[in-house]
Formats: sequence, C-alpha cells, structure tokens
Amino acid sequence: EAGVAQSPRYKIIEKRQSVAFWCNPISGHATLYWYQQILGQGPKLLIQFQNNGVVDDSQLPKDRFSAERLKGVDSTLKIQPAKLEDSAVYLCASSYSDQETQYFGPGTRLLVL
Amino acid sequence: KNEVEQSPQNLTAQEGEFITINCSYSVGISALHWLQQHPGGGIVSLFMLSSGKKKHGRLIATINIQEKHSSLHITASHPRDSAVYICAVRSAGGGADGLTFGKGTHLIIQP
Repeated sequence: EAGVAQSPRYKIIEKRQSVAFWCNPISGHATLYWYQQILGQGPKLLIQFQNNGVVDDSQLPKDRFSAERLKGVDSTLKIQPAKLEDSAVYLCASSYSDQETQYFGPGTRLLVL
Repeated sequence: KNEVEQSPQNLTAQEGEFITINCSYSVGISALHWLQQHPGGGIVSLFMLSSGKKKHGRLIATINIQEKHSSLHITASHPRDSAVYICAVRSAGGGADGLTFGKGTHLIIQP
C-alpha cells in the first residue's frame, strides 16, 4: 500500500513570496490533516478535512494560509505571503476515519529567508 | 485544551539499556498515540492506545487512564532506536479530532 505522498520535499523562498504544498493521502482515507512543525516543537494541527469538508481550521492563520481538498482526495496548502516565522516542516497525514490511526507523509521542509 | 507533557526532553543511553519515556496529559482522552520521528522529518506511528498495554517487538506502551499517564518502553535498546519520540492525544468529548502533541523526547542510543 502506497503511503502519504507530499511534494515538494524542500522549498526555500524569500519572505512575502507565495508557496504551495501538495498532499496525496492513502487511497480510501477520508480524513486528511495538515500540521505545522517548527524546529524543536511538536506538530501543530492547522486544518482537518473530512472528505472535502473542513472539520477544524481554528489554528490556521487565515490571513495568509489557505487549504483546499476540492474532490476529497488530494489537498493543497498555500501560504501567501510567507513570513520568516513560517519556516517549518509541513506534515500531511491521513486516516481511514477520524477514529483511526493517522499515517504521516514525509513532510515539506520550508525555509523562509 | 489538553496539555501534553513529555519527560525527559533529552535522553542519552548506552546500547542494550532499558528505556522509558513518559507522557502525561491534563484532560480525558479517547486515544493516545506514540510516534517516532527520524532525522529528516519522517513520522511513523508506533502505537495507538485507549487502555492497558500494547507490545510490538522491543517496544511496549502502557496507559493509565485514571492517572492520565502513558509510558513508552524500549527493551534492549539499539542505536537505530535513536529518534524523537512524540506522544499525542485525542481529547474525549467529541468535536474536532485533531491530535494535541507533546514536544517530543530526543533519544540517542550510543553503541
């Protein structure tokens, strides 16, 4: 079974630029999560989707971050414009349902200069 | 909001030692996860617990719901066990089901 795929693996941008991350969850997984992990800290949930609907985006900085999962499969997370403090690893995870084990992708490491 | 505390933050041990990592949380939960994160960012789910004890190979995870505490044990530790171990909980009571994470325990096993 293929795991959660994310791209790109690494991204370096300057502040005020825009960036987008892509996630392809495990086939059949209805629940998809985006996490932000700043160096030295545990992951923080940014947004949770159930199929193509948003379950929780309370910690998403909506003035600059947006995410979508239009067809209930792949998802994109966008930052526009980026700030220095957005430098982090962005992890995507998926699960069969919201009560099941989450499987994590390899993450996208973002550096904002 | 659930507060998740892990201890120790950093642990260095010799190969073969028995390792214990602790996790405590402040609010009732429906599930607790132990995750392993290797350098480079990849995260692997080790256990999902709601009660009792689970064992997989040299790894053992226990949880005490009354005391709001869980432990992860590694027997006969090996350098390849070197990683960050993260505890994460799903709070009970419904609502959104995202996890609350501890800050992780950085484990180094020296040969």
